Amino acid sequence: GAVVSQHPSWVICKSGTSVKIECRSLDFQATTMFWYRQFPKQSLMLMATSNEGSKATYEQGVEKDKFLINHASLTLSTLTVTSAHPEDSSFYICSAIGQGATEQYFGPGTRLTVT
Amino acid sequence: SQKIEQNSEALNIQEGKTATLTCNYTNYSPAYLQWYRQDPGRGPVFLLLIRENEKEKRKERLKVTFDTTLKQSLFHITASQPADSATYLCALAAGSGYSTLTFGKGTMLLVSP
Repeated sequence: GAVVSQHPSWVICKSGTSVKIECRSLDFQATTMFWYRQFPKQSLMLMATSNEGSKATYEQGVEKDKFLINHASLTLSTLTVTSAHPEDSSFYICSAIGQGATEQYFGPGTRLTVT
Repeated sequence: SQKIEQNSEALNIQEGKTATLTCNYTNYSPAYLQWYRQDPGRGPVFLLLIRENEKEKRKERLKVTFDTTLKQSLFHITASQPADSATYLCALAAGSGYSTLTFGKGTMLLVSP
């Protein structure tokens, strides 16, 4: 149980384009989903927290207009990187928590490369 | 400022030995602490959670201790195997419920045959 999937697993896009990453909880209802970014040899940095049906809460320094998060259902959250630049190249990972739970379950990650 | 430190970037041990990884924190009062395993190019995998009122947790070959006085958690893998080679992350949750996690940088464990 507690499986989280992400799609795509990797993506290459040109600078200035937008990319959407999906995060799905496959066997549980995720009341809260988190989006992280991880640079090589660095820790996971929380970007935003999203609760189903409400606006995401962004961490300090994360541009909400650049990283659009939608959590439209209890099993799906999306992260859209708008007008991507090479410095947005990173490993993006989502996680999900079921109602009343404390353990976060992570997706396999999405490698974004902006050329 | 709040800080989480994991003892070293890398730890090399021989197969069959016990690996001990350290997570120290400052300026936190965590409600619970979690340990994750992360393989290269993959998302973290949840291993163990220990709450502030618990001293020790075990799961198969894994053992976690939590000392809120020392502000330290130790993560042990007994009878280590080459398949245990990975990066291990500790993460703190400061509040109750589903509070957000703050992660350490991780310790890369390499178990040699």
